[in-house]
Amino acid sequence: GNSVTQMEGPVTLSEEAFLTINCTYTATGYPSLFWYVQYPGEGLQLLLKATKADDKGSNKGFEATYRKETTSFHLEKGSVQVSDSAVYFCAVTGANSKLTFGKGITLSVRP
Amino acid sequence: GAGVSQSPRYKVAKRGQDVALRCDPISGHVSLFWYQQALGQGPEFLTYFQNEAQLDKSGLPSDRFFAERPEGSVSTLKIQRTQQEDSAVYLCASSLAQGKESPLHFGNGTRLTVT
Repeated sequence: GNSVTQMEGPVTLSEEAFLTINCTYTATGYPSLFWYVQYPGEGLQLLLKATKADDKGSNKGFEATYRKETTSFHLEKGSVQVSDSAVYFCAVTGANSKLTFGKGITLSVRP
Repeated sequence: GAGVSQSPRYKVAKRGQDVALRCDPISGHVSLFWYQQALGQGPEFLTYFQNEAQLDKSGLPSDRFFAERPEGSVSTLKIQRTQQEDSAVYLCASSLAQGKESPLHFGNGTRLTVT
């Protein structure tokens, strides 16, 4: 089955720092890749997605590029804000929309 | 409402009790998923419906877990004879269509605590 590996956390950054959260996956066929975010006290929300190789998903200043050759989908943001503090989940899906999630990583941004 | 609605928000059960968790998906969404999220972990797949048909129940951890969606809309996840290891957040998600490009919309979950 599909699987996702995320870098270990938690991550603490100062405001305006550069962010990279690593994610690699194993999957058969041509999966779609997602980043979901869970803000404190809220449900999981889709942050961005990419559906084929070399696609770049972007939203709210975050970006991730679907790299089939390295089976990676790393999340980046050039300048984080305190409001970005949340738990971030990388996920991969197959033909029936069934998502397989990584363990998640907690990001804390200091003012 | 516009989103996926789950009830109750919190449930405390004594070990051995049965519980029922409800999910109201977004109107018109064909696909419905249940996930279990243990503390500090990512959500783990439990089961999947397309309309009223349960197409995949490979993630249900035991025969104490049962899910239904009789009219292709509201779904109920039932756990019989709850055990402490069942304590987790149970998430419901729906999507408009079947297919890997269709994103899932999640509810806020039901936090189950078994004492």
